[in-house]
Amino acid sequence: GAGVSQSPSNKVTEKGKDVELRCDPISGHTALYWYRQSLGQGLEFLIYFQGNSAPDKSGLPSDRFSAERTGGSVSTLTIQRTQQEDSAVYLCASSLSGAGQGRDQPQHFGDGTRLSIL
Amino acid sequence: GESVGLHLPTLSVQEGDNSIINCAYSNSASDYFIWYKQESGKGPQFIIDIRSNMDKRQGQRVTVLLNKTVKHLSLQIAATQPGDSAVYFCAEIGAGGTSYGKLTFGQGTILTVHP
Repeated sequence: GAGVSQSPSNKVTEKGKDVELRCDPISGHTALYWYRQSLGQGLEFLIYFQGNSAPDKSGLPSDRFSAERTGGSVSTLTIQRTQQEDSAVYLCASSLSGAGQGRDQPQHFGDGTRLSIL
Repeated sequence: GESVGLHLPTLSVQEGDNSIINCAYSNSASDYFIWYKQESGKGPQFIIDIRSNMDKRQGQRVTVLLNKTVKHLSLQIAATQPGDSAVYFCAEIGAGGTSYGKLTFGQGTILTVHP
């Protein structure tokens, strides 16, 4: 598609359940990023993919959070045993190239998944 | 730790006025900056970027100024329109020798444009 696509757009679930969030980056973009945005706050980095590998997972808040990327395209962010503090907007971004001389590339964002944990 | 922050959390202007949104950054190693606009319920939208070897860059109705001496970034919007009302974020890349495009965001400035 023309832009970054995320699904679902909204997710409400009960505490303790697992959730999967999906990101379809812009075609041809090798770099993919996940961020989290709490209400009225800036964006918090979670994880970076270059191709299918994740050189930097340092932003993942706990071991309940994991992410994968297959075929150098679609990525899934999984949160296990969700807690109320996980409620936030989860944003995905992609860029042409994330590494080396290509790192100075604008990141283009999807509209996010609004996750609410009851 | 290093951070990127904004001087003013809110800015209200009249339609047709020029707007200036400011951003201070603390890491002198930062070498690439981006301004994003975020409307309610949407993801951040790229506005304009600037590299550290420049001090000014112009786009359509927008200008970004970079002052490396005082580590200050600003976004100027000419002839502000009601559709410009949004939260504006500055973001920094490449701090501390990071080898990839990890963005560090400021907290955001709310711009409100009154008709």
